[in-house]
Amino acid sequence: DTAVSQTPKYLVTQMGNDKSIKCEQNLGHDTMYWYKQDSKKFLKIMFSYNNKELIINETVPNRFSPKSPDKAHLNLHINSLELGDSAVYFCASSHAGSSTDTQYFGPGTRLTVL
Amino acid sequence: QQQVKQSPQSLIVQKGGIPIINCAYENTAFDYFPWYQQFPGKGPALLIAIRPDVSEKKEGRFTISFNKSAKQFSLHIMDSQPGDSATYFCAATFTGGGNKLTFGTGTQLKVEL
Repeated sequence: DTAVSQTPKYLVTQMGNDKSIKCEQNLGHDTMYWYKQDSKKFLKIMFSYNNKELIINETVPNRFSPKSPDKAHLNLHINSLELGDSAVYFCASSHAGSSTDTQYFGPGTRLTVL
Repeated sequence: QQQVKQSPQSLIVQKGGIPIINCAYENTAFDYFPWYQQFPGKGPALLIAIRPDVSEKKEGRFTISFNKSAKQFSLHIMDSQPGDSATYFCAATFTGGGNKLTFGTGTQLKVEL
């Protein structure tokens, strides 16, 4: 059983397109996150949701919009894709939003913008 | 501004050696320091974590040393194995911060036979 799953695993698209990445967790967690890992492997948080409510919204272009239809899902929609959006995007989840709650990461989605 | 600085960027050790990865932080509000391990093509996974009221924590072959006054902490891997070859990230978070992990820049470790 996959704890945190993401689809698709790879996404290749043209500049200017709109794309979505889906994330689902079956751990019963209340909090979900999106991270971006750039080509130098630097990991940076983008958003977090707790029970469908936006908790963390880092300095991310508003072309990126997270959507949480229920607490087991957190999708990431990206409008007007740019070359600089190429990266690996990781979804994660934790039991709650406490600083000591372990975050469980998905396998990542490698986005390539041409 | 990089709030958690990590070094070295890469490290090669022989099997059985003890690689040491160092991190330093600036924000004194940080009160929880996890280490994550990432294998190629996979997501990061929690390895071990420490609170600043403890100077050392050991889990199996992995040990965190913590120096609160210097605002530094490090990961030691005892009797390293080729299977330990991965990228290691230190991170920091703080109470009331919504579990926002601030990551170091990562250390790519290779353990050779």
